[in-house]
Amino acid sequence: ETGVTQSPTHLIKTRGQQVTLRCSSQSGHNTVSWYQQALGQGPQFIFQYYREEENGRGNFPPRFSGLQFPNYSSELNVNALELDDSALYLCASSPAITGDGYTFGSGTRLTVV
Amino acid sequence: GNSVTQMEGPVTLSEEAFLTINCTYTATGYPSLFWYVQYPGEGLQLLLKATKADDKGSNKGFEATYRKETTSFHLEKGSVQVSDSAVYFCARLRGGSEKLVFGKGMKLTVNP
Repeated sequence: ETGVTQSPTHLIKTRGQQVTLRCSSQSGHNTVSWYQQALGQGPQFIFQYYREEENGRGNFPPRFSGLQFPNYSSELNVNALELDDSALYLCASSPAITGDGYTFGSGTRLTVV
Repeated sequence: GNSVTQMEGPVTLSEEAFLTINCTYTATGYPSLFWYVQYPGEGLQLLLKATKADDKGSNKGFEATYRKETTSFHLEKGSVQVSDSAVYFCARLRGGSEKLVFGKGMKLTVNP
């Protein structure tokens, strides 16, 4: 049974650029959630995807968007990057739409310069 | 509002010392409560959880009891090891919700 894998592990982008982060969910999990963890802070919920549709969203602007594919993998897209978007982005998969039973990936460290 | 408050660190202990990390929550209803651990350079791992009042979660020598009367879920370990050095996050989940709400985390360093 494979866990949650994220790519890339590290990324440096320039302010104003766009970025796509990828996540493969754990086998048997059909739900993917994304969290942003700023330095020294706890993770903040961005959104969740279930059956290829957004199922709940946190307090993030529309330039944060996502996709889920038929194999349950997911992408997080961020447009018009700002310096404050620098953070660790964590993907978590679960076997149901409730937040219990999450398995987290190791994250993508995004630095915006 | 709905939030999780945990004691802030960083905290440095000697090996075999007793550990307590305080966590309190605010939420409507009776949320599930979690402790997650983040080792250096890694993602979050579930350490333990409790889903109803008076439940005790335990794992790897760590324990936490869901106290409804004090809205708390303090993490304890009787004898820490160097390998316990990590950041610890308390989190809560409202019933039927998809969203975990985390505290700010507490960095623990255990010295030999």
